[in-house]
Amino acid sequence: QKEVEQNSGPLSVPEGAIASLNCTYSDRVSQSFFWYRQYSGKSPELIMSIYSNGDKEDGRFTAQLNKASQYVSLLIRDSQPSDSATYLCADLSGQLTFGSGTQLTVLP
Amino acid sequence: DTEVTQTPKHLVMGMTNKKSLKCEQHMGHRAMYWYKQKAKKPPELMFVYSYEKLSINESVPSRFSPECPNSSLLNLHLHALQPEDSALYLCASSQGSGKADTQYFGPGTRLTVL
Repeated sequence: QKEVEQNSGPLSVPEGAIASLNCTYSDRVSQSFFWYRQYSGKSPELIMSIYSNGDKEDGRFTAQLNKASQYVSLLIRDSQPSDSATYLCADLSGQLTFGSGTQLTVLP
Repeated sequence: DTEVTQTPKHLVMGMTNKKSLKCEQHMGHRAMYWYKQKAKKPPELMFVYSYEKLSINESVPSRFSPECPNSSLLNLHLHALQPEDSALYLCASSQGSGKADTQYFGPGTRLTVL
Protein backbone atom coordinates (compact mmCIF):
# COMPACT_ATOMS: atom_id res chain seq x y z
CA GLN A 1 0.00 0.00 0.00
CA LYS A 2 1.34 3.38 -1.01
CA GLU A 3 2.53 5.52 1.91
CA VAL A 4 3.58 9.11 2.34
CA GLU A 5 5.36 10.08 5.54
CA GLN A 6 6.06 13.55 6.85
CA ASN A 7 8.15 14.73 9.76
CA SER A 8 5.37 14.96 12.28
CA GLY A 9 6.35 18.22 13.94
CA PRO A 10 5.08 20.47 15.26
CA LEU A 11 7.74 22.77 13.87
CA SER A 12 8.40 26.25 15.24
CA VAL A 13 10.68 28.80 13.58
CA PRO A 14 11.26 32.48 14.27
CA GLU A 15 9.99 35.08 11.85
CA GLY A 16 12.43 35.58 8.97
CA ALA A 17 13.97 32.11 9.29
CA ILE A 18 13.86 29.24 6.79
CA ALA A 19 11.30 26.53 7.50
CA SER A 20 12.12 23.08 6.14
CA LEU A 21 9.36 20.52 5.67
CA ASN A 22 10.17 16.97 4.62
CA CYS A 23 8.33 14.05 3.13
CA THR A 24 9.21 10.53 1.97
CA TYR A 25 7.14 8.27 -0.25
CA SER A 26 7.05 4.55 -0.76
CA ASP A 27 5.93 4.14 -4.39
CA ARG A 28 9.02 4.11 -6.63
CA VAL A 29 6.99 4.84 -9.77
CA SER A 30 5.36 7.99 -8.37
CA GLN A 31 6.01 11.01 -10.55
CA SER A 32 3.84 13.84 -9.24
CA PHE A 33 3.99 15.52 -5.87
CA PHE A 34 2.09 18.39 -4.34
CA TRP A 35 2.37 20.60 -1.30
CA TYR A 36 -0.84 21.96 0.18
CA ARG A 37 -1.23 24.47 2.99
CA GLN A 38 -4.19 24.16 5.33
CA TYR A 39 -5.14 26.79 7.85
CA SER A 40 -7.11 25.62 10.88
CA GLY A 41 -10.75 25.01 9.93
CA LYS A 42 -10.12 25.73 6.24
CA SER A 43 -9.63 23.56 3.16
CA PRO A 44 -6.26 22.60 1.62
CA GLU A 45 -4.77 25.22 -0.70
CA LEU A 46 -2.23 24.26 -3.35
CA ILE A 47 1.22 25.75 -2.74
CA MET A 48 3.37 23.95 -5.28
CA SER A 49 3.62 20.93 -7.50
CA ILE A 50 6.81 19.19 -8.60
CA TYR A 51 7.38 16.41 -11.12
CA SER A 52 11.10 16.47 -11.99
CA ASN A 53 14.21 15.85 -9.94
CA GLY A 54 15.76 19.01 -8.56
CA ASP A 55 14.44 22.29 -7.27
CA LYS A 56 11.43 24.36 -8.22
CA GLU A 57 11.10 27.88 -6.89
CA ASP A 58 8.02 30.07 -6.57
CA GLY A 59 8.52 33.25 -4.60
CA ARG A 60 9.52 32.36 -1.04
CA PHE A 61 8.76 28.67 -1.61
CA THR A 62 11.16 26.06 -3.00
CA ALA A 63 10.14 22.45 -3.57
CA GLN A 64 12.83 19.80 -3.94
CA LEU A 65 12.41 16.31 -5.36
CA ASN A 66 14.92 13.46 -5.17
CA LYS A 67 13.47 10.38 -6.85
CA ALA A 68 16.48 8.19 -6.05
CA SER A 69 15.96 8.80 -2.33
CA GLN A 70 12.16 9.02 -2.67
CA TYR A 71 12.23 12.34 -0.87
CA VAL A 72 10.31 15.58 -1.32
CA SER A 73 10.81 18.77 0.65
CA LEU A 74 9.44 22.29 0.89
CA LEU A 75 11.54 25.23 2.00
CA ILE A 76 9.89 28.46 3.07
CA ARG A 77 12.30 31.41 3.11
CA ASP A 78 11.75 34.54 5.18
CA SER A 79 8.98 32.80 7.13
CA GLN A 80 6.08 35.00 8.20
CA PRO A 81 3.50 34.51 10.97
CA SER A 82 0.92 34.15 8.17
CA ASP A 83 2.74 30.98 7.08
CA SER A 84 1.62 29.30 10.31
CA ALA A 85 -0.51 26.38 9.12
CA THR A 86 -0.43 22.64 8.52
CA TYR A 87 1.48 21.63 5.40
CA LEU A 88 0.38 18.48 3.59
CA CYS A 89 2.61 16.56 1.21
CA ALA A 90 0.73 14.50 -1.39
CA ASP A 91 1.74 11.85 -3.92
CA LEU A 92 -0.34 11.39 -7.08
CA SER A 93 0.03 7.82 -8.28
CA GLY A 94 -3.41 6.55 -9.12
CA GLN A 95 -5.06 8.56 -6.41
CA LEU A 96 -3.85 11.47 -4.29
CA THR A 97 -2.31 10.14 -1.09
CA PHE A 98 -1.57 12.62 1.69
CA GLY A 99 1.00 12.52 4.41
CA SER A 100 -0.16 13.17 7.95
CA GLY A 101 0.84 16.84 7.73
CA THR A 102 3.35 19.03 9.55
CA GLN A 103 2.08 21.86 11.73
CA LEU A 104 4.27 24.92 11.31
CA THR A 105 4.26 27.88 13.70
CA VAL A 106 6.19 31.02 12.82
CA LEU A 107 6.93 33.03 15.95
CA PRO A 108 6.89 36.85 15.67
CA ASP B 1 -10.12 30.67 -12.13
CA THR B 2 -9.58 27.70 -9.80
CA GLU B 3 -12.78 27.97 -7.81
CA VAL B 4 -14.73 25.05 -6.46
CA THR B 5 -17.85 25.98 -4.52
CA GLN B 6 -19.60 23.92 -1.85
CA THR B 7 -22.92 24.31 -0.07
CA PRO B 8 -23.84 24.45 2.71
CA LYS B 9 -20.84 25.68 4.70
CA HIS B 10 -22.19 24.14 7.88
CA LEU B 11 -24.74 21.38 8.43
CA VAL B 12 -26.17 19.94 11.63
CA MET B 13 -28.33 16.85 11.26
CA GLY B 14 -29.86 14.12 13.36
CA MET B 15 -29.19 10.46 12.81
CA THR B 16 -32.57 9.94 11.13
CA ASN B 17 -32.31 12.86 8.71
CA LYS B 18 -31.59 12.82 4.99
CA LYS B 19 -29.51 15.67 3.63
CA SER B 20 -27.31 16.44 0.64
CA LEU B 21 -24.02 18.26 0.15
CA LYS B 22 -23.45 20.07 -3.13
CA CYS B 23 -20.32 20.91 -5.07
CA GLU B 24 -19.84 22.83 -8.33
CA GLN B 25 -16.91 23.76 -10.55
CA HIS B 26 -16.74 25.76 -13.78
CA MET B 27 -13.18 24.99 -14.79
CA GLY B 28 -14.11 22.38 -17.36
CA HIS B 29 -12.60 19.68 -15.17
CA ARG B 30 -13.60 16.09 -15.88
CA ALA B 31 -12.87 14.62 -12.45
CA MET B 32 -14.51 15.45 -9.14
CA TYR B 33 -13.83 14.02 -5.71
CA TRP B 34 -15.31 13.76 -2.24
CA TYR B 35 -12.96 13.63 0.75
CA LYS B 36 -13.65 13.31 4.47
CA GLN B 37 -11.32 15.00 6.93
CA LYS B 38 -11.35 14.48 10.68
CA ALA B 39 -9.57 16.88 13.02
CA LYS B 40 -5.75 16.74 12.83
CA LYS B 41 -5.89 14.07 10.11
CA PRO B 42 -5.25 14.31 6.37
CA PRO B 43 -8.14 14.15 3.89
CA GLU B 44 -9.36 10.62 3.08
CA LEU B 45 -10.73 9.89 -0.38
CA MET B 46 -14.34 8.70 -0.44
CA PHE B 47 -15.44 8.83 -4.09
CA VAL B 48 -14.14 9.83 -7.50
CA TYR B 49 -16.10 10.66 -10.63
CA SER B 50 -13.76 10.71 -13.59
CA TYR B 51 -15.21 11.20 -17.06
CA GLU B 52 -18.57 10.36 -15.48
CA LYS B 53 -17.36 7.01 -14.17
CA LEU B 54 -17.62 6.41 -10.44
CA SER B 55 -14.85 4.91 -8.35
CA ILE B 56 -15.57 4.08 -4.73
CA ASN B 57 -13.39 3.66 -1.69
CA GLU B 58 -14.79 0.34 -0.51
CA SER B 59 -14.41 1.29 3.13
CA VAL B 60 -17.03 4.05 2.79
CA PRO B 61 -20.37 3.02 4.35
CA SER B 62 -23.49 2.88 2.19
CA ARG B 63 -25.09 5.70 4.17
CA PHE B 64 -23.01 7.97 1.91
CA SER B 65 -24.23 8.06 -1.69
CA PRO B 66 -22.58 10.17 -4.42
CA GLU B 67 -24.32 11.55 -7.47
CA CYS B 68 -22.87 13.35 -10.48
CA PRO B 69 -25.71 15.01 -12.47
CA ASN B 70 -23.21 16.44 -14.97
CA SER B 71 -19.50 17.10 -15.25
CA SER B 72 -19.77 20.36 -13.27
CA LEU B 73 -21.89 19.18 -10.36
CA LEU B 74 -21.31 16.66 -7.61
CA ASN B 75 -23.65 15.78 -4.77
CA LEU B 76 -23.19 13.67 -1.67
CA HIS B 77 -26.42 12.26 -0.24
CA LEU B 78 -26.43 11.50 3.46
CA HIS B 79 -28.81 9.15 5.23
CA ALA B 80 -28.88 7.61 8.71
CA LEU B 81 -25.49 8.99 9.63
CA GLN B 82 -23.69 8.30 12.90
CA PRO B 83 -22.04 10.83 15.25
CA GLU B 84 -18.61 9.55 14.12
CA ASP B 85 -19.43 10.83 10.63
CA SER B 86 -19.06 14.38 11.92
CA ALA B 87 -16.18 15.87 9.93
CA LEU B 88 -15.16 18.38 7.27
CA TYR B 89 -16.32 17.15 3.87
CA LEU B 90 -14.22 18.42 1.02
CA CYS B 91 -14.97 18.46 -2.67
CA ALA B 92 -12.14 18.74 -5.21
CA SER B 93 -11.84 18.78 -8.97
CA SER B 94 -9.09 18.19 -11.53
CA GLN B 95 -8.62 17.86 -15.26
CA GLY B 96 -8.84 14.11 -14.84
CA SER B 97 -5.71 12.95 -16.65
CA GLY B 98 -1.97 13.48 -16.96
CA LYS B 99 0.78 13.50 -14.38
CA ALA B 100 0.12 17.19 -13.68
CA ASP B 101 -3.45 16.40 -12.64
CA THR B 102 -3.72 18.98 -9.88
CA GLN B 103 -6.67 18.81 -7.54
CA TYR B 104 -8.28 22.03 -6.36
CA PHE B 105 -10.35 21.96 -3.20
CA GLY B 106 -13.55 23.71 -2.32
CA PRO B 107 -14.02 25.41 1.08
CA GLY B 108 -15.67 22.34 2.59
CA THR B 109 -18.85 21.59 4.50
CA ARG B 110 -18.54 21.22 8.26
CA LEU B 111 -20.95 18.41 9.19
CA THR B 112 -22.14 17.70 12.71
CA VAL B 113 -24.26 14.61 13.38
CA LEU B 114 -26.19 14.67 16.63
